[in-house]
Amino acid sequence: QVQLQESGPGLVKPSQTLSLTCTVSGGSISSGSYYWSWIRQPAGKGLEWIGRIYTSGSTNYNPSLKSRVTISVDTSKNQFSLKLSSVTAADTAVYYCAREVIAAAFFDIWGQGTMVTVSS
Amino acid sequence: SYVLTQPPSVSVAPGQTARITCGGNNIGSKSVHWYQQKPGQAPVLVVYDDSDRPSGIPERFSGSNSGNTATLTISRVEAGDEADYYCQVWDSSSDRVVFGGGTKLTVL
Repeated sequence: QVQLQESGPGLVKPSQTLSLTCTVSGGSISSGSYYWSWIRQPAGKGLEWIGRIYTSGSTNYNPSLKSRVTISVDTSKNQFSLKLSSVTAADTAVYYCAREVIAAAFFDIWGQGTMVTVSS
Repeated sequence: SYVLTQPPSVSVAPGQTARITCGGNNIGSKSVHWYQQKPGQAPVLVVYDDSDRPSGIPERFSGSNSGNTATLTISRVEAGDEADYYCQVWDSSSDRVVFGGGTKLTVL
């Protein structure tokens, strides 16, 4: 079955760029039936959608983060990535990658999540 | 922007029925999805498209959606159902996913 795994630095300095990668196993990221998304959750708080990408490279971003977010896909590696620039302590959170079913817009598979702390 | 409102907490005794609401402007016109999240774990989809269940989710979990309120109903609540529950929709007017603030279900 399809599994998602996040990877990347657990500590990022303020004003720098947070970079995470999600590796898809057990299936192809090039399947036309899904978007590939990033979602985050600060400690003790709710879920916040960051954005998504389709295998073609088409993206949608949360308007509140759009100016700082870039999501990209590497189909040859079966991976997609998140870059969040100019980070502050408010960006400290658990970051999840997830698979979103196209036309239905729900997330049927999630990664385990990775904690990213923004601190000097 | 579209807002989904959930009660912060719901408490229920074992064996009883829990109802968790998700309020939004004309939410009945949208497809609502529900996730269960236990401490330290990733969310798990428990209901999609208002009332459908993914494979492996017990029939005790059901959903409904009408007017300005969607509801997740958990029948015959068990201790293992204690978790945070989130509703979610796609807001086509702003092209973004929206989550509710989450509801902590406590099994007394």
